[in-house]
Order: sequence, then structure tokens, then C-alpha cells
Amino acid sequence: GNSVTQMEGPVTLSEEAFLTINCTYTATGYPSLFWYVQYPGEGLQLLLKATKADDKGSNKGFEATYRKETTSFHLEKGSVQVSDSAVYFCALNSGGSNYKLTFGKGTLLTVNP
Amino acid sequence: GAGVSQSPRYKVTKRGQDVALRCDPISGHVSLYWYRQALGQGPEFLTYFNYEAQQDKSGLPNDRFSAERPEGSISTLTIQRTEQRDSAMYRCASSSQQGARNTEAFFGQGTRLTVV
Repeated sequence: GNSVTQMEGPVTLSEEAFLTINCTYTATGYPSLFWYVQYPGEGLQLLLKATKADDKGSNKGFEATYRKETTSFHLEKGSVQVSDSAVYFCALNSGGSNYKLTFGKGTLLTVNP
Repeated sequence: GAGVSQSPRYKVTKRGQDVALRCDPISGHVSLYWYRQALGQGPEFLTYFNYEAQQDKSGLPNDRFSAERPEGSISTLTIQRTEQRDSAMYRCASSSQQGARNTEAFFGQGTRLTVV
């Protein structure tokens, strides 16, 4: 079956630090990969996605590259801001039930000024 | 509407009571999904609708859980005879295409259910 393993949190960084949140997956077929973000008091929002191997998703300064050989989709940002404080979820969909998202447990990021 | 709207935002109920959670998707969105998220976990799939048809209910944990979307818009997730283990955040999402692999799902803010 499908599964997503992501870096345990919480992660605490100072403003302008470099961010990496690791995500690895197990999936049948050829999954699409996603990062969702939940800001305090809000719903889940799609941050970025990649649909095939070697694709790079990017948005708001965040990037993640679909690595089939290592089954990974690590989230990175070169310089985090206080406003990036949120919970980040790695997710995938795959196979015949391609509408069904499988999520990791989430990683809480806190950025201090 | 502007986004996916869920109500109530918070619900506290006594064990054994029935609860109904409502989801109002983005206007015109064909597909609607329900997920459940326990504390410290990621969301887990419960069920999926295209228009009014329930296409997949494989994630519903037992027969106390049911969902409907009678007119292909608003959906209700009902939990009968609630138990403490049902306490969780219940999330609804909608998308514009029928379960397409790359279609973005838009999530509501969720309903926090606490069973006491």
C-alpha cells in the first residue's frame, strides 16, 4: 500500500535560516507528490506538487524535487520567514484510487525573529 | 462560496449521541472528499463523492459512519452512537474535476469533534 514518512518535528529555526523537511514514500505505480501547509487557524492549502520523476515543484520560495531513485520529495527553502511558521504535510496519490491522498504525519515549523 | 466551508467548527458531544458534520464545497466543484485527522497524525481518507454519487467509502471505519451528498453540493457526515475514539478533526475537501490525478483538492478549516 501507499505510505509517506516525513521528518519528525517540531523544527525551530531563526529567520533567514535554511529549511529542509525530509519526506520519503512507498507507493504502487507512479504517484503524484504534494506538499500541503496548514497555517494557524486555517485549512490545509496546497503548497506545491510534482507529477513525475525529476519534476521540481516550487511556490513561495519553497522547492521540492521528485526523486524516484530515492523515493523522496524533500521540501526546501533557502531563507525562512516568521510567516512560514505552520504545519507541513507531505502527501501522494497513486494507483487506481488516484483521488485518494495519503498523508504523512506533518511537521511543525516555528520560525523565530 | 469563496472556499470550502465546514460547520460547526467545534463540536462537543456526549458519548452515545449522534452528530452531523456539514461541508459546503466550492461552488461548481464536482468532487468532494472527507478525511479524518487524529491528533499528531496526518489526515486519513474516509469517503469520496462525484456529484451526488458516493464513489468510494472504503475509509469509513465502521457502520456508525455514513455520508451523503443528495444534490451534488452540500455533504453531511453522520456519526451515530459516538464513542470517545471518534474524537478527531474532520476535514472536507473539494475539487473541480472527477478524481483526476493532478487535480488540486481545496480543504476547509475542519470540524474539531470531541466526544466526552
